[in-house]
Amino acid sequence: AQSVTQPDIHITVSEGASLELRCNYSYGATPYLFWYVQSPGQGLQLLLKYFSGDTLVQGIKGFEAEFKRSQSSFNLRKPSVHWSDAAEYFCAVGAGTASKLTFGTGTRLQVTL
Amino acid sequence: DGGITQSPKYLFRKEGQNVTLSCEQNLNHDAMYWYRQDPGQGLRLIYYSQIVNDFQKGDIAEGYSVSREKKESFPLTVTSAQQNPTAFYLCASSILFGGQRDTIYFGEGSWLTVV
Repeated sequence: AQSVTQPDIHITVSEGASLELRCNYSYGATPYLFWYVQSPGQGLQLLLKYFSGDTLVQGIKGFEAEFKRSQSSFNLRKPSVHWSDAAEYFCAVGAGTASKLTFGTGTRLQVTL
Repeated sequence: DGGITQSPKYLFRKEGQNVTLSCEQNLNHDAMYWYRQDPGQGLRLIYYSQIVNDFQKGDIAEGYSVSREKKESFPLTVTSAQQNPTAFYLCASSILFGGQRDTIYFGEGSWLTVV
């Protein structure tokens, strides 16, 4: 069975600092991988996705993620965080056509000014 | 604009009552999903449907029911059998077989509180 681990429950960074959110997955074949962001009381917005090809994926809002098969990881990065990036971030892995996702438990990002 | 609309945003339920959460999408997506979100537990799949008049149980279907009479609509009923229904409910949809387009998109969610 597939699984996703986000080892950091809560991260605090200063505005302007770089960010890396960790995601490790378990899946028997090449996975479909996603990062979503959720503001309080809102739905989830897709940041980026990896299906195949280039292992460095660019997303919206200046985020990128790198798929590392050898480490079973799909970490999310941003070179300079803005106060508006404060939210909860979810990594997800999909099976087959990605019609059924398994989500991590999320990482809450706090940004200090 | 195309999207997924959930209603109501906030709903209060008395003990023993059934309540229905609405989900409508105008994206022409084949598949629709219901997730439940509890603090610290991520999202858990309740039900999903890949085609009209057909649906499958997810990981936590007990105490819930759904219907899929139209492609664009996938209402969720939280029955009195659901022991702990207070949660945030998210509806989602996706193209079923689309390669690069096979991504799940979410609505804005509905809060259900038992009073």
